[in-house]
Amino acid sequence: NAGVTQTPKFRILKIGQSMTLQCAQDMNHNYMYWYRQDPGMGLKLIYYSVGAGITDKGEVPNGYNVSRSTTEDFPLRLELAAPSQTSVYFCASSYSRGGTDTQYFGPGTRLTVL
Amino acid sequence: DQQVKQNSPSLSVQEGRISILNCDYTNSMFDYFLWYKKYPAEGPTFLISISSIKDKNEDGRFTVFLNKSAKHLSLHIVPSQPGDSAVYFCAAVKTSGSRLTFGEGTQLTVNP
Repeated sequence: NAGVTQTPKFRILKIGQSMTLQCAQDMNHNYMYWYRQDPGMGLKLIYYSVGAGITDKGEVPNGYNVSRSTTEDFPLRLELAAPSQTSVYFCASSYSRGGTDTQYFGPGTRLTVL
Repeated sequence: DQQVKQNSPSLSVQEGRISILNCDYTNSMFDYFLWYKKYPAEGPTFLISISSIKDKNEDGRFTVFLNKSAKHLSLHIVPSQPGDSAVYFCAAVKTSGSRLTFGEGTQLTVNP
């Protein structure tokens, strides 16, 4: 049982490039989340999903897209990367409604946009 | 608009002493509160939580206190151990929703 896995661990992008951050969980969780953490700040919710085929915007969705074609995978797409997207990205999952249900986090992807 | 605030970016305590981490919130709709712990190069892990119908919840060395009138919660770690050195995030949620709102985090360092 690997929990929540994220790839890559690190990535450097040039301004305007695109990339996909991968996230997978093997706990059969319905809910999945993408957060970003900037230095000295808390985690901000980018997008979340309540099940395959259902996604919704979080607090800071601009510049990102997501899809959820399976229960296990929840990739985050960055189109036209900008320096403001330099951050650490965390994927998380929970079995049910993520407020009171424990969210399990992946190890993070550190992204730098130059 | 920072709805959950942890005003102390860092805290240093001696091993064996009590660590007290504080968190304030502004949204009176929040009714469930959580603490997560984060080690470097790892994702946050759940530590302890409390519902607004309680004012205290205890789990081993960790106790969370909630003061609803002051919109304040605190995490007490007794006794503190070097392995507790990590960043601690406070989070809040409306139980009718699914979005956690996190504070900025407090770096706890426990010195041997």
